Amino acid sequence: GIQVEQSPPDLILQEGANSTLRCNFSDSVNNLQWFHQNPWGQLINLFYIPSGTKQNGRLSATTVATERYSLLYISSSQTTDSGVYFCAVDNAGNNRKLIWGLGTSLAVNP
Amino acid sequence: SQTIHQWPATLVQPVGSPLSLECTVEGTSNPNLYWYRQAAGRGLQLLFYSIGIDQISSEVPQNLSASRPQDRQFILSSKKLLLSDSGFYLCAWNIRGGGSRNQYFGPGTRLLVL
Repeated sequence: GIQVEQSPPDLILQEGANSTLRCNFSDSVNNLQWFHQNPWGQLINLFYIPSGTKQNGRLSATTVATERYSLLYISSSQTTDSGVYFCAVDNAGNNRKLIWGLGTSLAVNP
Repeated sequence: SQTIHQWPATLVQPVGSPLSLECTVEGTSNPNLYWYRQAAGRGLQLLFYSIGIDQISSEVPQNLSASRPQDRQFILSSKKLLLSDSGFYLCAWNIRGGGSRNQYFGPGTRLLVL
């Protein structure tokens, strides 16, 4: 099955710094999503981005489907950005199952 | 707007005891429903998904079962819990026909089996 690898596994930032998180996937996909899990466990959709670029405030994401990777950019990081960022993809024929990476754990220090 | 509820929030159970976790969705009809387990705070494993009442697909063989007695209710059960069933259980929904995109997650249940 498709493999999803995220890097780096852990990241520590000072408030105000910028960062780039990467997601590599081993096969073509028809769905790619970025999620943020806060320290209390709540998972929030950030982007649905099987290809192209999207921006939402300080966050933006780019997926280069032909090269099988996606990047999540966090600019001017805040302590509330702390948590785990997951990339999840889907390439199954029934188009219902997400395959998840192991996440990048981000800590933003004040 | 749509809301997804899970309960209980936290549960400590002895090995061998039964389990029932409930998930309900409000504000939508005919959703796809999903049960995930997250171990050690990293990575989600899909356990079950459902496209309709009494239509359940199991993704991995395990000690758990799922049921969907009503359109917006999804229940995760076990007859006898194992230590390895400990974890963070998340329920999710999305719009039927939307494939796997835009899944929305509940607050989760932390289960500790002792």
